[in-house]
Amino acid sequence: SQKIEQNSEALNIQEGKTATLTCNYTNYSPAYLQWYRQDPGRGPVFLLLIRENEKEKRKERLKVTFDTTLKQSLFHITASQPADSATYLCALEGTNAGKSTFGDGTTLTVKP
Amino acid sequence: GEEVAQTPKHLVRGEGQKAKLYCAPIKGHSYVFWYQQVLKNEFKFLISFQNENVFDETGMPKERFSAKCLPNSPCSLEIQATKLEDSAVYFCASSQNRINEKLFFGSGTQLSVL
Repeated sequence: SQKIEQNSEALNIQEGKTATLTCNYTNYSPAYLQWYRQDPGRGPVFLLLIRENEKEKRKERLKVTFDTTLKQSLFHITASQPADSATYLCALEGTNAGKSTFGDGTTLTVKP
Repeated sequence: GEEVAQTPKHLVRGEGQKAKLYCAPIKGHSYVFWYQQVLKNEFKFLISFQNENVFDETGMPKERFSAKCLPNSPCSLEIQATKLEDSAVYFCASSQNRINEKLFFGSGTQLSVL
């Protein structure tokens, strides 16, 4: 069955360091992969989208990679700040799917 | 509007009662999605609409859950005869084009079944 796994439920890092979050999937051929940020009590907010034929995407301090051979996406936040503390979700969608399938998320805490 | 509006924010029902949740997508968005978030992060897809037509309903429990998106009305998700395990946050999201435009989420409806 299709499965999406995000590394460790929780990740704690020091301010200024780079946070790296992992999204692995099995039995899936996604056409697109997205990353969202969710704060407590709020809905997810879109951050980045990467297509299957793209290797890397950047936006300010964020970088996403997509390796369809390894079936993995890495999400990096450079020069992390306490305000980056949140839960980060990856979501995959196939070409003909009518939905995005979400991972369980990784809760990032950036300590000052 | 420029944001997805979900009402009510909180809903408390006794087991066996009906629950109805509403979602107004962003104006101009053709696709609406409903997700259920149980526990902390587990996100479960329920159903999607393209305008008023069901697009994908593979996640919908057939027996007690129903949903509609009618013209000029908020979309709705209805649960007949709620059960304890229906307690969750229900999120609605909309997108302009399905082909992986980003999803815009509402703030969710917290349903508590007692």
